[in-house]
Amino acid sequence: TQLLEQSPQFLSIQEGENLTVYCNSSSVFSSLQWYRQEPGEGPVLLVTVVTGGEVKKLKRLTFQFGDARKDSSLHITAAQPGDTGLYLCAGEERGSTLGRLYFGRGTQLTVWP
Amino acid sequence: GAGVSQSPRYKVAKRGQDVALRCDPISGHVSLFWYQQALGQGPEFLTYFQNEAQLDKSGLPSDRFFAERPEGSVSTLKIQRTQQEDSAVYLCASSFGPITYTGELFFGEGSRLTVL
Repeated sequence: TQLLEQSPQFLSIQEGENLTVYCNSSSVFSSLQWYRQEPGEGPVLLVTVVTGGEVKKLKRLTFQFGDARKDSSLHITAAQPGDTGLYLCAGEERGSTLGRLYFGRGTQLTVWP
Repeated sequence: GAGVSQSPRYKVAKRGQDVALRCDPISGHVSLFWYQQALGQGPEFLTYFQNEAQLDKSGLPSDRFFAERPEGSVSTLKIQRTQQEDSAVYLCASSFGPITYTGELFFGEGSRLTVL
């Protein structure tokens, strides 16, 4: 059982569409991060959210941390083929051993031209 | 180079062989992590170093897995008597300071291990 559940696991959309990826847990997190991973590469950090209810925007990407700090979402507006990749959420569980970052299974996004 | 460097990028081992995977973190980075990523899964935590001290090894799946960072820079992940279920990508990541996850974790490209 994953501590962080991501949905959907796969998403295939046309260029210009909007989409939302969800990251849910029954645990409370001190902070939560979103990463993007390309094939053959390591994950690259997109954003960190720390405060419950926090919303951060990165160009067409909007990240939200739930009020209770148990869940997060990533919304992409007007998706482009360059957004294709594996999106991973990761969090430090509140009270866990320092340094242990839990990852979700990821959402594989494909954006078709 | 400026990033986290891992070697080898690809390793094929026969079941029962020992393997060693190397990670060269970004110069000056205090924290170093090893993760295991199976096909279609997110990375799973293996172990964490702060300088040369291994502060958390609770994610190592068995006593066949051993990691070290003797001088607080380069780290080696060793897997003894490899099994097929060890096949995965092994990711190394480093961070500038002692980690709380408001910091940024920089990942290497990973070492893909295939055990036949």
